Amino acid sequence: AQSVTQLDSHVSVSEGTPVLLRCNYSSSYSPSLFWYVQHPNKGLQLLLKYTSAATLVKGINGFEAEFKKSETSFHLTKPSAHMSDAAEYFCVVSGGSQGNLIFGKGTKLSVKP
Amino acid sequence: KAGVTQTPRYLIKTRGQQVTLSCSPISGHRSVSWYQQTPGQGLQFLFEYFSETQRNKGNFPGRFSGRQFSNSRSEMNVSTLELGDSALYLCASSLTGAVYEQYFGPGTRLTVT
Repeated sequence: AQSVTQLDSHVSVSEGTPVLLRCNYSSSYSPSLFWYVQHPNKGLQLLLKYTSAATLVKGINGFEAEFKKSETSFHLTKPSAHMSDAAEYFCVVSGGSQGNLIFGKGTKLSVKP
Repeated sequence: KAGVTQTPRYLIKTRGQQVTLSCSPISGHRSVSWYQQTPGQGLQFLFEYFSETQRNKGNFPGRFSGRQFSNSRSEMNVSTLELGDSALYLCASSLTGAVYEQYFGPGTRLTVT
């Protein structure tokens, strides 16, 4: 069965410093993995996706994620945080038992000036 | 292309009433999925419709139902509302199915009093 664990419920960084949001997954086969972002009172926006091509995936707004099969991880990074990055981020794996995407619990990112 | 639209954006209902939410997917997308988002449970999959047929269903009671029309627009209905149904209801559309990248609408905030 597929599952996803976001290791931090809340991450706080200063503007201009790197961002690291951690995600581990469990899958019985090679999964598709996604990161979504949700700004307050908004829907979810797709940041990036991994679908068994390149292991380093570049997304929008300077975010990227690396698929590491040996570590079953798909961490999200950004070299320099911006105030507008403050939001909640969801790691998602495909292939739920009901034929759906499975969402992690979310990581709330705060960015201090 | 226009994004996913959901109406209404906000709703206040009383326990025991019923409610219908509407979702218009991105043009050309045939798959529409519905999710419930609450602070306690996170994002939970309700169901997916594809070409007017319910293709997948999550673990929600029968009070939650949906349908899809020939133009791919979808409606979700909740009957006999309970306080616990208060949530953000998100609709997502996809070209081919719920396990692939999905594009989310802004959501409908339902408050049950």
